[in-house]
Amino acid sequence: GNSVTQMEGPVTLSEEAFLTINCTYTATGYPSLFWYVQYPGEGLQLLLKATKADDKGSNKGFEATYRKETTSFHLEKGSVQVSDSAVYFCALGGKLIFGQGTELSVKP
Amino acid sequence: DTAVSQTPKYLVTQMGNDKSIKCEQNLGHDTMYWYKQDSKKFLKIMFSYNNKELIINETVPNRFSPKSPDKAHLNLHINSLELGDSAVYFCASSQVQGGKGNEKLFFGSGTQLSVL
Repeated sequence: GNSVTQMEGPVTLSEEAFLTINCTYTATGYPSLFWYVQYPGEGLQLLLKATKADDKGSNKGFEATYRKETTSFHLEKGSVQVSDSAVYFCALGGKLIFGQGTELSVKP
Repeated sequence: DTAVSQTPKYLVTQMGNDKSIKCEQNLGHDTMYWYKQDSKKFLKIMFSYNNKELIINETVPNRFSPKSPDKAHLNLHINSLELGDSAVYFCASSQVQGGKGNEKLFFGSGTQLSVL
């Protein structure tokens, strides 16, 4: 069946460091792919999405590219800020399957 | 004005009790969901309704019963609460029906359920 696997956290970075959070998926067909972010004490909110192969989603300095050949949708940001500290979820459209979440902590 | 609101935010109760969590969305969406998030942040879908009709029903104990009086509301009733039910429960809604592959979900802020 469909599934999503994310790299395990927590990930701890210093401010202005480069961020990569890996996400790979298994799916039939070509569902949309999403990254959601959950700030402490809040519900999830959509960060970015891509609807087809080679699409790049971007928002707030974060980017992810839908790679069909490697079945991946890795999240990247060139320079993280303390305010980016949150839990990040990769998700597969269709039956809306979420990865296990990756906690990011950014230190000043 | 909150798009997806759920109440209560915190719910502490004894084992064996029956409790309900309410959810309302004012976005005009046709589809609503309940998710359970465990202590390790793992998020799992429980139910999905489209226009008051159940479309996703994952392997959830039948002590959990969703009720959708209209498409703007999806309440979750839990009978005979158990320790393992302790978690954060999130309500969500979307414009596109779950399963169509292009949906963006709007989440409520969660209900933290603690069963003692």
